[in-house]
Amino acid sequence: GESVGLHLPTLSVQEGDNSIINCAYSNSASDYFIWYKQESGKGPQFIIDIRSNMDKRQGQRVTVLLNKTVKHLSLQIAATQPGDSAVYFCAEKVPNTGFQKLVFGTGTRLLVSP
Amino acid sequence: DGGITQSPKYLFRKEGQNVTLSCEQNLNHDAMYWYRQDPGQGLRLIYYSQIVNDFQKGDIAEGYSVSREKKESFPLTVTSAQKNPTAFYLCASRMAGNSYNEQFFGPGTRLTVL
Repeated sequence: GESVGLHLPTLSVQEGDNSIINCAYSNSASDYFIWYKQESGKGPQFIIDIRSNMDKRQGQRVTVLLNKTVKHLSLQIAATQPGDSAVYFCAEKVPNTGFQKLVFGTGTRLLVSP
Repeated sequence: DGGITQSPKYLFRKEGQNVTLSCEQNLNHDAMYWYRQDPGQGLRLIYYSQIVNDFQKGDIAEGYSVSREKKESFPLTVTSAQKNPTAFYLCASRMAGNSYNEQFFGPGTRLTVL
């Protein structure tokens, strides 16, 4: 079935560390993935996306890696800051639906200590 | 500022009442979406609309209704038929015509049934 999951519900890091948040997806035909950040009581914010024809994409302090062989996605945050504390979740575009249907993971909470 | 607005931020409803959640966007986006977010679960799609005067049911449409009379507006009505309406509701929009662009989210409305 369609599912997007995360291995670690909570990740605690120290300020300045690098953080890695993981996501597994189930549909090998999925061709587009998005990472969102959600602060408490707010709507999700787009962080970075990647298409399946790429293995890696970099943004400002963030990198997304896609391993299609094992259907795994990761978000790397460099030099994590207290403002990065939030819930992060991935979304997978379901193929062949006629519209952009996303399946969302449950999220990983990132806690950054000063 | 361009963006998506949702109102109200908090909404309380008595059992048996219908309530309408507002979603407005000035991004000139064609596609709009409504999701429901519950603790420990990923976002679930309620309804979506790809163009004015057209909308389709998502995965959990029972007990909800929508309209899309204007491009910038996509209100959601939570009817008394929705058995468990207490949740955080998120509206999103995106530019259509390309399957590989992100959905932008509003700030959300938290609905509580008393």
